[in-house]
Amino acid sequence: NAGVTQTPKFQVLKTGQSMTLQCAQDMNHEYMSWYRQDPGMGLRLIHYSVGAGITDQGEVPNGYNVSRSTTEDFPLRLLSAAPSQTSVYFCASSEDRLNGYTFGSGTRLTVV
Amino acid sequence: TQLLEQSPQFLSIQEGENLTVYCNSSSVFSSLQWYRQEPGEGPVLLVTVVTGGEVKKLKRLTFQFGDARKDSSLHITAAQPGDTGLYLCAPRYGNQFYFGTGTSLTVIP
Repeated sequence: NAGVTQTPKFQVLKTGQSMTLQCAQDMNHEYMSWYRQDPGMGLRLIHYSVGAGITDQGEVPNGYNVSRSTTEDFPLRLLSAAPSQTSVYFCASSEDRLNGYTFGSGTRLTVV
Repeated sequence: TQLLEQSPQFLSIQEGENLTVYCNSSSVFSSLQWYRQEPGEGPVLLVTVVTGGEVKKLKRLTFQFGDARKDSSLHITAAQPGDTGLYLCAPRYGNQFYFGTGTSLTVIP
């Protein structure tokens, strides 16, 4: 089925470890973005991309890196995990940033 | 900085009842999206409203965009257990959509 695929679904990290959250879409969408969802905070934008080779920061970019080498993939890297990064992470894509988003099913990350 | 509030935060009703949830902003927005999120899943787009005063219907769901473009509402008629979920509004300010914290709806059979 067409859509946004996120891996892994669950992850536990120790403080200071690094990891990459994967996101892939097969709808040829130009716009892709990463959000984190925390209780009482709603969905907050981390980074976004309007096309291959182009990325920009959102509301809460600190501690995260992204790259967009292809239209399909938009990985999110945590360089040195901190407990404050415990959250549920969602990847979303859209034809462009002003259209409705298709979300992945999320990655639940716990940093201990 | 715009303030965005969704109310109520939680709502529990019996199957067959009607309900309305609200999305209010301190700033004018140019359009607004409504999403529903089920536990363990990502949000799913329900509708986009663009014009002030606009009303859109999606089966038993009615979405309204306020005339002043600072508020929106979602009305559900004859709620069913399948309507259970977190309802998120996402108004657009400039070139970006911002998500509210949502209304968590539980429909009891």
